[in-house]
Amino acid sequence: AQTVTQSQPEMSVQEAETVTLSCTYDTSESDYYLFWYKQPPSRQMILVIRQEAYKQQNATENRFSVNFQKAAKSFSLKISDSQLGDAAMYFCAYSEGGGADGLTFGKGTHLIIQP
Amino acid sequence: DAMVIQNPRYQVTQFGKPVTLSCSQTLNHNVMYWYQQKSSQAPKLLFHYYDKDFNNEADTPDNFQSRRPNTSFCFLDIRSPGLGDAAMYLCATSRDRPGYNEQFFGPGTRLTVL
Repeated sequence: AQTVTQSQPEMSVQEAETVTLSCTYDTSESDYYLFWYKQPPSRQMILVIRQEAYKQQNATENRFSVNFQKAAKSFSLKISDSQLGDAAMYFCAYSEGGGADGLTFGKGTHLIIQP
Repeated sequence: DAMVIQNPRYQVTQFGKPVTLSCSQTLNHNVMYWYQQKSSQAPKLLFHYYDKDFNNEADTPDNFQSRRPNTSFCFLDIRSPGLGDAAMYLCATSRDRPGYNEQFFGPGTRLTVL
């Protein structure tokens, strides 16, 4: 079974600084996808960024980028120029390429933005 | 705006009293999911529908069932809620099968069992 591990229950960063959230995963599959979802307080979860395992190039979305290390099974999220609105729970998630099941989530990292 | 709606947002039930949570979507997506999220834990997939095809996770308790009468609606039935079933229940949709497809989440229903 696939597992996703987020080792940082909570992270804190000063506004405008850069922060990196860690995620590791375990799978025996070669075709899969990785995601970072954001869950603001009392609001629905939304997709931040996603990565196809077969692509070597790291995904980027504006201030958000990932460092995908396939051999190490590592998928970290970097948030540049942190803003107060970035404060949320961040979940790393995995999905098989065959499309059989839903997402497997990590336990999440609570990101605090210090003004 | 197209969205995923969950009702109610907060549900209180008594131990053993059946409860139904509802989810509707205006995205016209083929796939609908139910996740259970307990405090400080990862959301856990309970089951999903690909159109009318029902897919149950192997470790989802028999106490949990689901219905999808049409494309727009999906229901989660808990036949005899126990204290351990208190959680946030998240409904999500995706246009097509999991994999690369983004999942769109509702705001969740927080279930309290007394």
